[in-house]
Amino acid sequence: GQQVMQIPQYQHVQEGEDFTTYCNSSTTLSNIQWYKQRPGGHPVFLIQLVKSGEVKKQKRLTFQFGEAKKNSSLHITATQTTDVGTYFCAGGGTSYGKLTFGQGTILTVHP
Amino acid sequence: DGGITQSPKYLFRKEGQNVTLSCEQNLNHDAMYWYRQDPGQGLRLIYYSQIVNDFQKGDIAEGYSVSREKKESFPLTVTSAQKNPTAFYLCASSIGMTSYEQYFGPGTRLTVT
Repeated sequence: GQQVMQIPQYQHVQEGEDFTTYCNSSTTLSNIQWYKQRPGGHPVFLIQLVKSGEVKKQKRLTFQFGEAKKNSSLHITATQTTDVGTYFCAGGGTSYGKLTFGQGTILTVHP
Repeated sequence: DGGITQSPKYLFRKEGQNVTLSCEQNLNHDAMYWYRQDPGQGLRLIYYSQIVNDFQKGDIAEGYSVSREKKESFPLTVTSAQKNPTAFYLCASSIGMTSYEQYFGPGTRLTVT
């Protein structure tokens, strides 16, 4: 079945440093979504990428979808303490549009 | 306010007992999902439903059962056959199954001893 791998599992940064998490799928994806889960909370949708090579920005966050639609990345510029949480990618395949979630990257930001 | 509610937030049960987790949404979404979250394993899909009176097994359905008698409700029963039931359970919904963002409820943390 479809597998989505996400690295790194943990990332500790000093406030102001950049952060990147990477997502790789074993199969070609129809779309990829990114979610953020604050500590003790539930996942919240950030963005969806659909097109090959697509790049989208949300303030300090930059999302990319690979040319082959098998990988994606989330980059945060100049992290802030409010960025703390777990970031998940979720790949949409061809089977009824189910999402397969990556394991998540837990981001800690030290002030 | 529109959204998804799950209750209770914390649930404790003895081993061998079945337990039902509730999930209600007022977003008028057709699709609903149940996920299980364990540390370091992300979210794993238990069951999903694309429409009322229809549901499909996800990746880890063994030991679980669901029903979808109403559009708004998608309860999950954790049966005594589930070998490791202690986990954080998340319910989600979306407009449809394909290429739509999922809205998550606050989750239920189940502890079985």
